[in-house]
Amino acid sequence: DARVTQTPRHKVTEMGQEVTMRCQPILGHNTVFWYRQTMMQGLELLAYFRNRAPLDDSGMPKDRFSAEMPDATLATLKIQPSEPRDSAVYFCASGSGQGGYTFGSGTRLTVV
Amino acid sequence: SQKIEQNSEALNIQEGKTATLTCNYTNYSPAYLQWYRQDPGRGPVFLLLIRENEKEKRKERLKVTFDTTLKQSLFHITASQPADSATYLCALDSYSSASKIIFGSGTRLSIRP
Repeated sequence: DARVTQTPRHKVTEMGQEVTMRCQPILGHNTVFWYRQTMMQGLELLAYFRNRAPLDDSGMPKDRFSAEMPDATLATLKIQPSEPRDSAVYFCASGSGQGGYTFGSGTRLTVV
Repeated sequence: SQKIEQNSEALNIQEGKTATLTCNYTNYSPAYLQWYRQDPGRGPVFLLLIRENEKEKRKERLKVTFDTTLKQSLFHITASQPADSATYLCALDSYSSASKIIFGSGTRLSIRP
């Protein structure tokens, strides 16, 4: 089965450090989402791309978060500088635009 | 603002019974609605999609209904099994070019033997 691959699976970093999370969407999928999940907020949409173009990143704190899709096989989510409140599980999901989406296993980020 | 509510945080039922989960939404006109299952430590897994012009969709022991007048979807698991224990999430999407998927907070379902 095709999978969405996220790296790293776990990341522990100190406050103020830069964090980069990577996602390899399923080949042929033209829609890519980044979500953040916490116990308190559930799944929050941070940003998404269609055909590599950013469509909406209104859910992202712009001053510290950035999302890019340099090519069709890679999406990145960067936090600089990281803060303890950024601790969460970050999910990437991809799909063809109409239908169910496939999620990766997530990156569990802990900022101390 | 757009809002999705899933009826309860947790649902506990006896094995063999039918589990029914509810998803209500406001200030949204979705073209279709999706249901996902999430197990601890894993990403959500897509289960079913139902479009606005469909009343009901089935897949094995799963059934989803979609009432755009009530702005509600019901998700049923018949002959429930302990292996069905998980968190179930509903998600809404539209057909617009800038559509984005919004998730409810989920219902944690526990099936006791």
